[in-house]
Amino acid sequence: GIQVEQSPPDLILQEGANSTLRCNFSDSVNNLQWFHQNPWGQLINLFYIPSGTKQNGRLSATTVATERYSLLYISSSQTTDSGVYFCAVELPGSSNTGKLIFGQGTTLQVKP
Amino acid sequence: KAGVTQTPRYLIKTRGQQVTLSCSPISGHRSVSWYQQTPGQGLQFLFEYFSETQRNKGNFPGRFSGRQFSNSRSEMNVSTLELGDSALYLCASRRQGEGDTQYFGPGTRLTVL
Repeated sequence: GIQVEQSPPDLILQEGANSTLRCNFSDSVNNLQWFHQNPWGQLINLFYIPSGTKQNGRLSATTVATERYSLLYISSSQTTDSGVYFCAVELPGSSNTGKLIFGQGTTLQVKP
Repeated sequence: KAGVTQTPRYLIKTRGQQVTLSCSPISGHRSVSWYQQTPGQGLQFLFEYFSETQRNKGNFPGRFSGRQFSNSRSEMNVSTLELGDSALYLCASRRQGEGDTQYFGPGTRLTVL
């Protein structure tokens, strides 16, 4: 089956620093989403980005579908950015509808 | 527009019991997916419902089941609970199918003693 690998697994930053999180996937995908899991467990949508580049404030994401990777950029990090970041993909085809496959996540800690 | 809601938020059960979790999707969303999150296995897909029909199922035993009602609300049931069923159960909704963003609820944290 498809492999979704995120790197690095853990990241510690000083407040104000920038970071790049990576997601590699081993097959063509229909859908790719980035999430931030808050301390209470809820998955917060960051980006729906099967291809191209999007920006939302201090966050931006790029997916290069032909090379099967996606990057999440966090600029000027704040302590509230701490948490676990997941990328998740959905394969094409009706047998995969609604089924997101998640990476293992990157745990980010931003220190004041 | 209200987000995805899940009830209850926390639940404690003992082995052998059964449990029912509920998920109310965003208004207008017809697809509901369920996921289990554990420290060891990460986030895993359980099943997806659309218009009261199960369209896809993950690799879980038959003790895990679900259903969807005509108003798109969904329930999942776990029978004969085992210690390993302790997890955060998340549901997500989206409008239709492929190409739509999934939006997640806050989750139900189940502890099996």
